[in-house]
Amino acid sequence: NAGVMQNPRHLVRRRGQEARLRCSPMKGHSHVYWYRQLPEEGLKFMVYLQKENIIDESGMPKERFSAEFPKEGPSILRIQQVVRGDSAAYFCASSEGTNEKLFFGSGTQLSVL
Amino acid sequence: SQQGEEDPQALSIQEGENATMNCSYKTSINNLQWYRQNSGRGLVHLILIRSNEREKHSGRLRVTLDTSKKSSSLLITASRAADTASYFCATDPPSAGNMLTFGGGTRLMVKP
Repeated sequence: NAGVMQNPRHLVRRRGQEARLRCSPMKGHSHVYWYRQLPEEGLKFMVYLQKENIIDESGMPKERFSAEFPKEGPSILRIQQVVRGDSAAYFCASSEGTNEKLFFGSGTQLSVL
Repeated sequence: SQQGEEDPQALSIQEGENATMNCSYKTSINNLQWYRQNSGRGLVHLILIRSNEREKHSGRLRVTLDTSKKSSSLLITASRAADTASYFCATDPPSAGNMLTFGGGTRLMVKP
């Protein structure tokens, strides 16, 4: 039973380009969460999705950021027109249900040049 | 502002000693969880304690929860060099749906 899979592991983008981060939850998990982490800091919640629905996106910037979790395929976190301040580690987690423990992927380290 | 705040921010101990980390939070919770993160890796779930529980054990880990003080502690007994990592508490306030809110973490270093 593979864990939460994120790719790419590292992503380098120039300012103004688009970044697409992918997350495949654990088998059987229908709840997906995206978090962002800056060096030496904790994780900041971004968005919570279930299949085909955004449940809570209160932690996601209103502009340039979007997320989806389609019926088929991985969850995608998309950052348009990246800026240097977007550089961070982005972690995806999944859970089987509500109020359950989260299983995290290894993260995508985004570097914006 | 963060729901959970860990204390201390950094802790350095010798192998064999016990390590205690504390977490304080601000609102009511459904449960509180502790996670561990090795450098550059994702978080690994350690233990979950529900709001109606006061203490929980898992191997060398002991977690307490005091809802009246809105605080929790994580104790690692007989620490090993391999315990070196960052430790985060996470809470899920009822008002926050199902997403966890993480504190800033305690960076633990265990010297051999």
